[in-house]
Amino acid sequence: DTAVSQTPKYLVTQMGNDKSIKCEQNLGHDTMYWYKQDSKKFLKIMFSYNNKELIINETVPNRFSPKSPDKAHLNLHINSLELGDSAVYFCASSQAGGYTGELFFGEGSRLTVL
Amino acid sequence: AQSVTQLDSQVPVFEEAPVELRCNYSSSVSVYLFWYVQYPNQGLQLLLKYLSGSTLVESINGFEAEFNKSQTSFHLRKPSVHISDTAEYFCAAMYSGGGADGLTFGKGTHLIIQP
Repeated sequence: DTAVSQTPKYLVTQMGNDKSIKCEQNLGHDTMYWYKQDSKKFLKIMFSYNNKELIINETVPNRFSPKSPDKAHLNLHINSLELGDSAVYFCASSQAGGYTGELFFGEGSRLTVL
Repeated sequence: AQSVTQLDSQVPVFEEAPVELRCNYSSSVSVYLFWYVQYPNQGLQLLLKYLSGSTLVESINGFEAEFNKSQTSFHLRKPSVHISDTAEYFCAAMYSGGGADGLTFGKGTHLIIQP
């Protein structure tokens, strides 16, 4: 059983489109995250979601919006896609608000915007 | 702003040779430190962590890291590397007040093992 699963694994789309990436965790964790990894492998947190509290990285454009239907899911919606949005997006989860630092990552969703 | 610095973007080393991957963090009263590993086309996996106690921490596959508060470093070492250690290694920190704010990652070091 995959602990943190993301779909789709690959996504190729045109500029201006709206797309979503889904994430599910079966670990019973109460905190979920979205990270963006750029072409230089740099990882940057976009959002964290803990017990219905959303913490947003202030540098994330408002075209990006996380949606959590329940504790096990945190989906990422992206509106009006731009070329610079091309990256690998990782979902992660942790227990107890992540204070132990152990995050469990999905395998990533590679988004290519043409 | 808090930061984590990995000075080496790439480290080539011969198989069975020792290796050190460097990591420095910005100083803070309270910080937790981690090393994550990313194998090709996979997500990140926790390799080892320092929360408190002994400053030398070890992983199950032979890596170790030492928390050095005076030098604000958390370098990763392995006495003898194997081809299967080829991966991207990320140093990360969680500062006080972190938790749901997530981890601050360094830019990663690509470890290349040469036969």
